[in-house]
Amino acid sequence: GQQVMQIPQYQHVQEGEDFTTYCNSSTTLSNIQWYKQRPGGHPVFLIQLVKSGEVKKQKRLTFQFGEAKKNSSLHITATQTTDVGTYFCAGDSGGSNYKLTFGKGTLLTVNP
Amino acid sequence: DAGVTQSPTHLIKTRGQHVTLRCSPISGHKSVSWYQQVLGQGPQFIFQYYEKEERGRGNFPDRFSARQFPNYSSELNVNALLLGDSALYLCASSSRGYQPQHFGDGTRLSIL
Repeated sequence: GQQVMQIPQYQHVQEGEDFTTYCNSSTTLSNIQWYKQRPGGHPVFLIQLVKSGEVKKQKRLTFQFGEAKKNSSLHITATQTTDVGTYFCAGDSGGSNYKLTFGKGTLLTVNP
Repeated sequence: DAGVTQSPTHLIKTRGQHVTLRCSPISGHKSVSWYQQVLGQGPQFIFQYYEKEERGRGNFPDRFSARQFPNYSSELNVNALLLGDSALYLCASSSRGYQPQHFGDGTRLSIL
């Protein structure tokens, strides 16, 4: 079945440093979504990428979707303590049996 | 507008029992999905319902079942509970199945 892998599993940074998490799917995706989950909270939708090679920005966050639609990345510039949480990518391969597959996530901690 | 609401918040059961979890989607959303999240892992897709029909099913045993009602609310049923069913069960709604998921706070299920 479809697998979505994320690296790294953990990342600790000093406030102001940059952060990147990478996502790879075993199958071609129709779209990829990114979510953020704060400790004790529920996943919150960040962005959806649909087109091959797509790049989207949200303030300090930059999201990319690979040309082959099998990989994606999230880059945060100049991290802040409010960025703390687990970042998940989730892929949908399309087809009649809908299934959104989440990666295991990257836990980001930020030292002030 | 109210977000996705789930009940109960917490639940303790013993092995062999069954459980029913409930979810009310955001007003206007016709799709409801269920996920199981074990500590330290990403949400695992269980089911998706759209317009009261099952549109997707994850790799869970037949002990797991769900349904969606005419008002688009949904129930997740789990029979013959096992210790391994202990997890946070998340419900998410969206306007269409492939659209971004809006998660509720979840039901924390503990099996003794």
